[in-house]
Amino acid sequence: QKEVEQNSGPLSVPEGAIASLNCTYSDRGSQSFFWYRQYSGKSPELIMFIYSNGDKEDGRFTAQLNKASQYVSLLIRDSQPSDSATYLCAVKGSSNTGKLIFGQGTTLQVKP
Amino acid sequence: SAVISQKPSRDICQRGTSLTIQCQVDSQVTMMFWYRQQPGQSLTLIATANQGSEATYESGFVIDKFPISRPNLTFSTLTVSNMSPEDSSIYLCSPYRETDTQYFGPGTRLTVL
Repeated sequence: QKEVEQNSGPLSVPEGAIASLNCTYSDRGSQSFFWYRQYSGKSPELIMFIYSNGDKEDGRFTAQLNKASQYVSLLIRDSQPSDSATYLCAVKGSSNTGKLIFGQGTTLQVKP
Repeated sequence: SAVISQKPSRDICQRGTSLTIQCQVDSQVTMMFWYRQQPGQSLTLIATANQGSEATYESGFVIDKFPISRPNLTFSTLTVSNMSPEDSSIYLCSPYRETDTQYFGPGTRLTVL
């Protein structure tokens, strides 16, 4: 089992719809969870992080964490074509070394 | 977030040569992470660089192939040695601070012919 798993996609949604991106992780002691957006040829850009169970909202983005189920998700409301990118889920594990473990990424396509 | 710069932004190199990538941060950080992103893949941690001590390498990465320097708390270099086409990747530095989340440098896109 991979440490951090994502559906590679592509996930295709129409403009204005809600995009739902999912991620599961294997280290039950993981403390911090991050979502990065990466455009082709560019460096990953941090868009959300979450530490506690529940929802965290920032503009059109909502991160959801369920530690019991070892599951973290990212919702993008009112999806725009500019949201088309690869979304990387990253987990900071229980080892307290600061290292991030990344999922393989989900490619999102928002169609006008 | 810290301002992070990397040099070079991209390079095309010949097999068997070496390339040194520089990472500069605008403030002091305790650790510097170096990641690799191979084409179509996600990010993989190469090593963690601390000032004044040898870097800690992840499984599958060795110091002879990826020597790292960390002369001070704002600067680090990663060298890709004796390159082969399999080393063609984006190399990213990421400074770590306990009170901050983790951001990435702009990356160095390396192509090995």
